[in-house]
Formats: sequence, C-alpha cells, structure tokens
Amino acid sequence: EIVLTQSPGTLSLSPGERATLACRASQTLSSSYLAWYQQKPGQAPRLLIYGASNRATGIPDRFSGSASGTDFTLTISRLEPEDFAVYYCQQYGSSLTFGGGTKVQI
Amino acid sequence: QVQLQESGPGLVKPSQTLSLTCTVSGGSISSGSYYWSWIRQHPGQGLEWIGYIYYSGNTYYNPSLKSRVTLSVDTSKNQFSLKLNSVTAADTAVYYCAGGRVGLPFDYWGQGTLVTVSS
Repeated sequence: EIVLTQSPGTLSLSPGERATLACRASQTLSSSYLAWYQQKPGQAPRLLIYGASNRATGIPDRFSGSASGTDFTLTISRLEPEDFAVYYCQQYGSSLTFGGGTKVQI
Repeated sequence: QVQLQESGPGLVKPSQTLSLTCTVSGGSISSGSYYWSWIRQHPGQGLEWIGYIYYSGNTYYNPSLKSRVTLSVDTSKNQFSLKLNSVTAADTAVYYCAGGRVGLPFDYWGQGTLVTVSS
C-alpha cells in the first residue's frame, strides 16, 4: 500500500500570503496519479488538482500543483478568505489512499 | 451535472450490518466511463477509502476493511450500495459516496451521512 505523508499538519497564514503544502509518497506513483482536495467544515471534499498538476473544472488559477519524484506540492499563490480549510492529497494509481491532511488556518 | 445522495440508517447497533445506498442523478451509473466509491471520515479525522465499484459489478476494496465490506450496484435504480458487517463503535463516521471518471480522482461527492454505532 502506498502511504501518503502530508506536512505540515497545520499551516497558520494570513490572507494574501502564499501557502505551500507538501505530500510525500512512500513509493513512486504511476503517471503522477496524485490529486488534491479541499474540505471545509461540514462539507464534502472538493477536487482541486488531478494528475499532480492539472486544475479541476472551475478551480481558480491561484491553486497549482507540482511533482518531483515522490514529492508533491500544492501551492496557493495568494490566500483568499475562503481558502482556509483542510487539504488532502490522494493517490489513485495503485489502489487508493489519502494523506492525513493539512489544515490551513488564519 | 451528476449529483449523489446517500441514504440509510443513522444509527446501527454493534455487531449488526451498516447498509447505505447512494442514488446517482444527472447521469447514468451504467456509463462505462465512471467508477463509484465509498469513503468515510471518522469524527475530526481524515478520509478513509472503503472501496469502489464499476457498473459491471467489479469491485476493489481497502485491504483493511475487505473482510467486512460488500459493494453492489443496481443499474435499474441508478444506485450503488455499501454493506459493512460486524460494526463496532470504531465504524462511527460520516460516510460519503463519490464518483469519478475512470483513471481520474473523484469529481462528484454526496453530502455525506453520519452513521453512529451504538446500542
């Protein structure tokens, strides 16, 4: 099973700042089958990024994803008030697993 | 736009079977382009994938839950279902159904339903 480790657990930032979230896979992922989701309290997760770097439909371009080997990064270029939430990475290349999440808080 | 809606009991007794159904609207569950899944989230914790199913009935389960999980699909009702046997308090969670295009992650999610295991 591929284990995804997200860091940091919590990120404290202010609106307008840049957020950098990390996700490390325990093994190489086939074809960068890595996604990022955003979850707000009481809501279902929302797909942000798929294929490590492709924005899902309707996702603002301040969200971007990148990959380097088994390390994946979600960057939010300038935080908007609605971006404070929990973010999960997920791999869907070998079975399916989620990371433990990063909370982005004010 | 595809929409998903979970339904089922919100309270299940220990040792019994948890049964949930997800109704798909705005699209056909029989589309070979999609796969359908269940994910759960324990209170205050992260996401745990339970399993997924194709319209053909082929299933893939989380190894940690495989012995207790059964997914099924009813194409006539445009629904897919989850059964989790021998539940304990540790199965108390919000259960989400989700769908995605084959080879891609989950585009579509239900709103989630809280299932509490308690006597």
